[in-house]
Amino acid sequence: QVQLVQSGSELKKPGASVKVSCKASGYTLSSYGMNWVRQAPGQGLEWMGWINTNTGNPTYAQGFTGRFVFSLDTSVSTAYLQISSLKAEDTAVYYCARLEDTDYIFDYWGQGTLVTVSS
Amino acid sequence: DIQMTQSPSSLSASVGDRVTLTCRASQSISSYLNWYQQKPGKAPNLLIYAASSLQSGVPSRFSGSGSGTDFTLTISSLQPEDFATYYCQQSYSTLSWTFGQGTKVEIK
Repeated sequence: QVQLVQSGSELKKPGASVKVSCKASGYTLSSYGMNWVRQAPGQGLEWMGWINTNTGNPTYAQGFTGRFVFSLDTSVSTAYLQISSLKAEDTAVYYCARLEDTDYIFDYWGQGTLVTVSS
Repeated sequence: DIQMTQSPSSLSASVGDRVTLTCRASQSISSYLNWYQQKPGKAPNLLIYAASSLQSGVPSRFSGSGSGTDFTLTISSLQPEDFATYYCQQSYSTLSWTFGQGTKVEIK
């Protein structure tokens, strides 16, 4: 069965970097795009962008350019989100979500990774 | 970007109630509208896609309708496991998908 398993919670200091992983199983990573979604504490869902897992080409939503990088390692069926120069406002749960591109739906989600930025 | 507005932001209802949630798009999105359910501490789960298609495995008490700018999600008979937050999402604007702010369904 399809599963997206994300890496564990992270506690980082302001200015540091973090890399969140999302390992796909039960399907071929390159057959479906991968989205990233942020959820700040007590807030709603915010689409960060997606990566074309065929070409490796990322697309970033407004507000997620510059410090955010999506990448892949297809040899281990894993997508990554890296955030640099962390700020307190980056504290959130980050989800990966598979893109089913017939209806453009997010049909499978990872369990989420909590990133806490605090001095 | 297309803005999605959900109403109400929260509601209280009892088990067995019929509940209707609303989502409005800032421009026409045809039927490119999806609904997700999120329970506390869990990832969202797809309920309805293309405005009215029920995702596999989702109970039939959930239904969606609408097109253009106005959409609804209806739960015909609210069950204890349905208390959650519901998000709409437009998939019309390719590579720029946006969510509504959510509607929290609470126990009365």
